[in-house]
Amino acid sequence: SQTIHQWPATLVQPVGSPLSLECTVEGTSNPNLYWYRQAAGRGLQLLFYSVGIGQISSEVPQNLSASRPQDRQFILSSKKLLLSDSGFYLCAWSSQGEQFFGPGTRLTVL
Amino acid sequence: GENVEQHPSTLSVQEGDSAVIKCTYSDSASNYFPWYKQELGKRPQLIIDIRSNVGEKKDQRIAVTLNKTAKHFSLHITETQPEDSAVYFCAASFGGTSYGKLTFGQGTILTVHP
Repeated sequence: SQTIHQWPATLVQPVGSPLSLECTVEGTSNPNLYWYRQAAGRGLQLLFYSVGIGQISSEVPQNLSASRPQDRQFILSSKKLLLSDSGFYLCAWSSQGEQFFGPGTRLTVL
Repeated sequence: GENVEQHPSTLSVQEGDSAVIKCTYSDSASNYFPWYKQELGKRPQLIIDIRSNVGEKKDQRIAVTLNKTAKHFSLHITETQPEDSAVYFCAASFGGTSYGKLTFGQGTILTVHP
């Protein structure tokens, strides 16, 4: 069966520091992959999606970037974090339409 | 692009009552409509979905209905229990060239009182 992993689970970072969040999927090939951010008490904002290695589409302009170096690996990065980057970051994969979320990374920027 | 409106934003019911959450979508080409349940601090979990070739789908105490003409779909939970308390999100997507991207509603906070 398919599983999706994210790490770290929680992260506290100072403003201006870099960021790297990782997501890996097991048990499926060539999935569509997504990064979402959820602010406290808010809905799901799609940040990036990828349909294949090296193929990244950005949904909103921001100081974040994404990369897909391998078929089942998706990375979210930032060179300099802002206070507004705090939130719950969720990776998701889909195949045949159904979309499944990873456990998430809770990021606090101080 | 697609736009999904979800109502109500909060819903409070007594245990055993029914709960209904409604969503409307704008893109008539959308053909896949999932519902997610998110408990506090957890990831959203897919609980039921419906595709545009059917009008209703049931799974035990939950059901989803779809009205393609009116472009709205609803989640129905019967015999609610305290463990149904969570945030529920509807979503819509078109499985053609949008690469499975989901457009989510704003969420409904459901509280079931014992």
